[in-house]
Amino acid sequence: SQQGEEDPQALSIQEGENATMNCSYKTSINNLQWYRQNSGRGLVHLILIRSNEREKHSGRLRVTLDTSKKSSSLLITASRAADTASYFCATKQTSGSRLTFGEGTQLTVNP
Amino acid sequence: GAGVSQSPSNKVTEKGKDVELRCDPISGHTALYWYRQSLGQGLEFLIYFQGNSAPDKSGLPSDRFSAERTGGSVSTLTIQRTQQEDSAVYLCASSPAAAVNEKLFFGSGTQLSVL
Repeated sequence: SQQGEEDPQALSIQEGENATMNCSYKTSINNLQWYRQNSGRGLVHLILIRSNEREKHSGRLRVTLDTSKKSSSLLITASRAADTASYFCATKQTSGSRLTFGEGTQLTVNP
Repeated sequence: GAGVSQSPSNKVTEKGKDVELRCDPISGHTALYWYRQSLGQGLEFLIYFQGNSAPDKSGLPSDRFSAERTGGSVSTLTIQRTQQEDSAVYLCASSPAAAVNEKLFFGSGTQLSVL
């Protein structure tokens, strides 16, 4: 079964609005990462948050991590049409070397 | 090269044929991963290489799937006797090491269609 589960599955907003995506996971992790995918091809790494961190910022991105609830959120502020993509969370578990991905959130930003 | 390179970018094959998918990681990256993504779905882990060895191949869905990596660089994923359910995008990723806080660099994938 998938370690990470994102919600919502799909999100449609207007340009300039904020977009929030959530991710839940099941087991203990070393870190949680967010990736972006355009047009169903290669993924691009956005941000990594370690298990001992609670919040991290990178440009218009803000990620939070709550290990007690086994959940994370990705906030994109002041969204742009170019932010339209699928966003995936991925967890690095404390055992093993694989990065396990969730099902993704499809974000559509309307101009 | 500048990024992870995968070939072919698209492959159409007939059911029952064998296919080989190639991944050329970023130079110097010792860790290499294969994932599979069906239409509209998340990424399914297949296999992970550290150097030429595969410490974790538990994601390979059947014995029709195999992968190798030679010289600590190029990797080949082979699917024998392809089935229609094998149709998916096959993604390769590499990272500098298998260290805990490494991010993955992905190729553009191979779209496999089994008719």
